[in-house]
Amino acid sequence: GESVGLHLPTLSVQEGDNSIINCAYSNSASDYFIWYKQESGKGPQFIIDIRSNMDKRQGQRVTVLLNKTVKHLSLQIAATQPGDSAVYFCAENVYSGAGSYQLTFGKGTKLSVIP
Amino acid sequence: ETGVTQTPRHLVMGMTNKKSLKCEQHLGHNAMYWYKQSAKKPLELMFVYNFKEQTENNSVPSRFSPECPNSSHLFLHLHTLQPEDSALYLCASSPNVGRSGYTFGSGTRLTVV
Repeated sequence: GESVGLHLPTLSVQEGDNSIINCAYSNSASDYFIWYKQESGKGPQFIIDIRSNMDKRQGQRVTVLLNKTVKHLSLQIAATQPGDSAVYFCAENVYSGAGSYQLTFGKGTKLSVIP
Repeated sequence: ETGVTQTPRHLVMGMTNKKSLKCEQHLGHNAMYWYKQSAKKPLELMFVYNFKEQTENNSVPSRFSPECPNSSHLFLHLHTLQPEDSALYLCASSPNVGRSGYTFGSGTRLTVV
């Protein structure tokens, strides 16, 4: 079946540098994507989302880019801080029929920030 | 606190035990979910409740039995589990089923021995 997945399982970044986390999706019908951050001992926390009618959306220090042509999603974190160390998941909103949608998650990328 | 509270945070149970996980939200959300998070696997949706009615059961074994007495509370009853059921069980809620606004709890770390 179609799924959402991540290119890199781990990423180490120097504090102050920018981080880029990538995600590939295969369901061309998906129209909504979300990035979550999960710190140790906590549940996933919403970071930023984007709808398929956009190709870029910016938040505070984060930017999500969507390339529908190649079914690729990325999360950019500017000036990475130690507090950004976590596992990052992309999620795809998939229509499951009868007016319902499901979130399908990627495997996750662990971001480690080097002080 | 995210507004979604799960108890207990940690649980160790034998394969013949019966236990329950509890989830509570006071965000006014109408939909609640159980997810399973295993090492090296993506988050897996288990059950979906909308206005306390079950709308999704993603082929979950019957040894997992959900219960949703009202829109604010969700339980996951466990019995005769297997060691491979050891995982982090996450509860989430959202204003409506699917789409946006998911809020997750911190999860229950379950170990089956």
